[in-house]
Amino acid sequence: QQQVKQSPQSLIVQKGGISIINCAYENTAFDYFPWYQQFPGKGPALLIAIRPDVSEKKEGRFTISFNKSAKQFSLHIMDSQPGDSATYFCAASNQGGSEKLVFGKGMKLTVNP
Amino acid sequence: DTEVTQTPKHLVMGMTNKKSLKCEQHMGHRAMYWYKQKAKKPPELMFVYSYEKLSINESVPSRFSPECPNSSLLNLHLHALQPEDSALYLCASSQVTHNEQFFGPGTRLTVL
Repeated sequence: QQQVKQSPQSLIVQKGGISIINCAYENTAFDYFPWYQQFPGKGPALLIAIRPDVSEKKEGRFTISFNKSAKQFSLHIMDSQPGDSATYFCAASNQGGSEKLVFGKGMKLTVNP
Repeated sequence: DTEVTQTPKHLVMGMTNKKSLKCEQHMGHRAMYWYKQKAKKPPELMFVYSYEKLSINESVPSRFSPECPNSSLLNLHLHALQPEDSALYLCASSQVTHNEQFFGPGTRLTVL
């Protein structure tokens, strides 16, 4: 029940295209869903996060869509750029309980010029 | 200042060595974390400190010893490590009641 399942494992898109990463969870107590971006040899950087009281959150080219009934959330990267090439991790946690973040397995995005 | 810093960036040590990793944040966060990350895997939680007290130890072997000297600093003391302990060691911090964790750049550890 603590798992967060992330798909696909890897994705190749052309510059200007849309990148979509999906995550699913089982634990209905999760109430915080962040996305992290990690470049090789660097630490993960918090990209955008959402709480279940909203269905969508947009920051620049990055949008999180959240479907509480389906227990799914996704990251959309619009107008993908070569500089977006990185590994993306979704995560979830229960703010009211342990602060432990449960991470998805990650997705390697390659944006071709 | 929204930065978590870690030193050193790279560390190579033998199995009999004793070394320490350091982490610092000046965001006033009262929770600090150590993670271990192997290649192509997500970060794996090792320890959590809340208000300078160890609150979570994810069954980490005793050859890893965390220390939180004050609210801004976090150390990870290493002794008698194994080659399989080679990984990227990440420090993170957050406000105690907030799950927004900020990660440092990590220390790339190689155990020979």
